[in-house]
Amino acid sequence: AQSVTQPDIHITVSEGASLELRCNYSYGATPYLFWYVQSPGQGLQLLLKYFSGDTLVQGIKGFEAEFKRSQSSFNLRKPSVHWSDAAEYFCARIKAAGNKLTFGGGTRVLVKP
Amino acid sequence: DAMVIQNPRYQVTQFGKPVTLSCSQTLNHNVMYWYQQKSSQAPKLLFHYYDKDFNNEADTPDNFQSRRPNTSFCFLDIRSPGLGDAAMYLCATSKEARLTNEQFFGPGTRLTVL
Repeated sequence: AQSVTQPDIHITVSEGASLELRCNYSYGATPYLFWYVQSPGQGLQLLLKYFSGDTLVQGIKGFEAEFKRSQSSFNLRKPSVHWSDAAEYFCARIKAAGNKLTFGGGTRVLVKP
Repeated sequence: DAMVIQNPRYQVTQFGKPVTLSCSQTLNHNVMYWYQQKSSQAPKLLFHYYDKDFNNEADTPDNFQSRRPNTSFCFLDIRSPGLGDAAMYLCATSKEARLTNEQFFGPGTRLTVL
């Protein structure tokens, strides 16, 4: 079955430091991959998506992600985090039929002053 | 601004008392989804509508039903809520059911079952 794994449940990072969130996917010739952010008590906001083409994808809020087929990974990065980046981040992929999103377990990011 | 609206944002119900959650959209999208997100877990798809066609996920309990009276509105009905149904319920929409169509999420309704 197609699945998405986020190995890190929690990450704590200092404000201004860089951030990398890991995402691994299984199966699928051409995965359609997404990163969403969820602030406390809020819905999900799309940060970026990868369908094909350039493997380095730029998103909103200064985030980028790199698709690496050889490693089955789609890691999210930000060079310098802000306190407002404290949130939960979900990696997701689309199942072929019905445009159904399958989410990873999420990574909660805490930002220290 | 075009958006996905969920009402209420917080809902408290009693064990076994039917409850309805509402979602509306001004995006004129064909597809509407309902997800259940339990505490510290990822969202899980319950069902979706493509126009008037209802698509239930295989593992969605019968206790959960949905209605879509028109393009703009979609309702989630929980016939007999149990304590295990306490969760955030997220509504999402997409223009079509194609792989490349982004899903737009509402802010969610947090359901508490007493």
